[in-house]
Amino acid sequence: KQEVTQIPAALSVPEGENLVLNCSFTDSAIYNLQWFRQDPGKGLTSLLLIQSSQREQTSGRLNASLDKSSGRSTLYIAASQPGDSATYLCAVIMEYGNKLVFGAGTILRVKS
Amino acid sequence: GAGVSQSPRYKVAKRGQDVALRCDPISGHVSLFWYQQALGQGPEFLTYFQNEAQLDKSGLPSDRFFAERPEGSVSTLKIQRTQQEDSAVYLCASSSDRGRPSTDTQYFGPGTRLTVL
Repeated sequence: KQEVTQIPAALSVPEGENLVLNCSFTDSAIYNLQWFRQDPGKGLTSLLLIQSSQREQTSGRLNASLDKSSGRSTLYIAASQPGDSATYLCAVIMEYGNKLVFGAGTILRVKS
Repeated sequence: GAGVSQSPRYKVAKRGQDVALRCDPISGHVSLFWYQQALGQGPEFLTYFQNEAQLDKSGLPSDRFFAERPEGSVSTLKIQRTQQEDSAVYLCASSSDRGRPSTDTQYFGPGTRLTVL
């Protein structure tokens, strides 16, 4: 059974810092990996989707990397802003499926 | 609307009551998913529809949970005889995917927060 773990569980940083969120998964037979953002009382917003054949994806200040063989992904946020405060979720889809398997998330707080 | 909508946004039920949660997916999306998110946890898969066919219900925690999508659009998740452990946010997502593996992102609704007293 696929298990997804996210470290740290919570992170508080001052505005302007660069930061890294970590995600690991136990079964490397994934089709893709996604990073989502969840704001309180709202649904999930997809930030980046990395296909298993890719190594990284970038969108603005966000960069996600994927090392499928070692079962790891990182989300790098550059020059953090208070508006980045949210819960960040990592999720994978297996090669043979279409349901998302999520980690428990990292709660990020960026202080102004 | 442009996105996935869910209703009600909040539901309080007394233990033993039946509840029905509604999901309106993005128009034209073939695939529809239900997830359950307990406090402090990531969402967990409940069930999956492709059009009106329920292709995977392996995540439903008990036979008290039932989902349907009779016309391949709107879906309803029904929970019978609710219990306190059913308290969670129930998220619906849709995508344009038609098969496996999934190639398109899933678009999520705002969720329904269910509290069972």
